[in-house]
Amino acid sequence: GAGVSQSPSNKVTEKGKDVELRCDPISGHTALYWYRQSLGQGLEFLIYFQGNSAPDKSGLPSDRFSAERTGGSVSTLTIQRTQQEDSAVYLCASSFRMSPGTIPEQYFGPGTRLTVT
Amino acid sequence: GENVEQHPSTLSVQEGDSAVIKCTYSDSASNYFPWYKQELGKRPQLIIDIRSNVGEKKDQRIAVTLNKTAKHFSLHITETQPEDSAVYFCAAPLAGTASKLTFGTGTRLQVTL
Repeated sequence: GAGVSQSPSNKVTEKGKDVELRCDPISGHTALYWYRQSLGQGLEFLIYFQGNSAPDKSGLPSDRFSAERTGGSVSTLTIQRTQQEDSAVYLCASSFRMSPGTIPEQYFGPGTRLTVT
Repeated sequence: GENVEQHPSTLSVQEGDSAVIKCTYSDSASNYFPWYKQELGKRPQLIIDIRSNVGEKKDQRIAVTLNKTAKHFSLHITETQPEDSAVYFCAAPLAGTASKLTFGTGTRLQVTL
């Protein structure tokens, strides 16, 4: 079946504008994650959704960042008043919810490359 | 929270040689350690993982070892090939969160001919 998809693949925006990034997880996956990967850096956790539970927002770097997940499927990451330091690749991943004590594999999307000029 | 450190940041080996990447973690309760491979311009993909009830796991040319006492785990690639060139990330879950991973900063492996 189809993997995790993200859109757009590339986004160039002017400083101060808002952007929305979209993630379509694998069908049936109840968990969804957003990560940020700056050039040459590792994966920085941003936010985590699990089913209908309240999202874990502990990784969001500022209140300009927000995310929502509608209907337990598609997720949108919104960055308001973008800054140049927001330039990075934003990766989405999804996974099954497995039984307690087991940890599911995360399947990553291709990412959205955001450039703030 | 969990802190994962990864070394080296870059590694260059000749084709056919072995490559070893090491990670240390801080939370003794961590019990799952995946390794992801990210080829240039592509998405990260899981290549192997190990759980805390075993010390070593092998899959063809790739192996991962775990030392819970020392709180470190390593990725071993034998008989390296040019297609092994990529960035490799280790990860560990945050205590009590099972599904939230903390990633290392990555190792860029270059396999030269």
